Amino acid sequence: EEQLVESGGDWVQPGRSLRLSCAASGFSFDDYDMHWVRQAPGKGLEWVSSITWNGGNRGYADSVKGRFTVSRDNAKKSLYLEMSSLRAEDTALYFCVKDTTFRWGQGTMVTVS
Amino acid sequence: EIVMTQSPATLSVSPGESATLSCRASQSVRGNLAWYQQKPGQPPRLLIYGAHTRATGIPARFSASGFGTDFTLTISSLQSEDFAVYYCQQFNTWLTFGGGTKVEIK
Repeated sequence: EEQLVESGGDWVQPGRSLRLSCAASGFSFDDYDMHWVRQAPGKGLEWVSSITWNGGNRGYADSVKGRFTVSRDNAKKSLYLEMSSLRAEDTALYFCVKDTTFRWGQGTMVTVS
Repeated sequence: EIVMTQSPATLSVSPGESATLSCRASQSVRGNLAWYQQKPGQPPRLLIYGAHTRATGIPARFSASGFGTDFTLTISSLQSEDFAVYYCQQFNTWLTFGGGTKVEIK
């Protein structure tokens, strides 16, 4: 069964950095593009970043461009999101999402305050 | 950036009735559109991909259509478990989500 497990969420002060991880299992990780999507408390879904299967192409929402960096390690079947210069508006539940079948993890909470 | 607009924001429906949700893209996304259902405290659940194909295990009362910029999700004979928030998502160029439609009990 396809599974995605996010980790690394925490409470941090504005301006600090945080690294999120997503561990994948149950599918051939290096065959798929991967995405990060976030959801602020009581709000809708917001795309954050995407990375192609081999890491060759990456995309970012304007709201995080220049502050967040997405990466992956196909040997470890893991996806990462390096977040810097964090702001209060980055407070959200961050989901890891697999492309094509759009399988979602349960999310990891980031609170910036 | 492709902007996705959903309407209405809230839909009040009685159990057993049908509901029609709309989603419009600011530019063509071809058939690269998905629909999700989300309930409180849960991640979104994929209902539809490729604009009209039901995901595994999704009941036939969920149907969808559209291509290009205009898309529709129809839920026929609403069951109690269908009251939730629904999102559309384009995956033609990275991802973008609509603002959601809350389907509530009338």
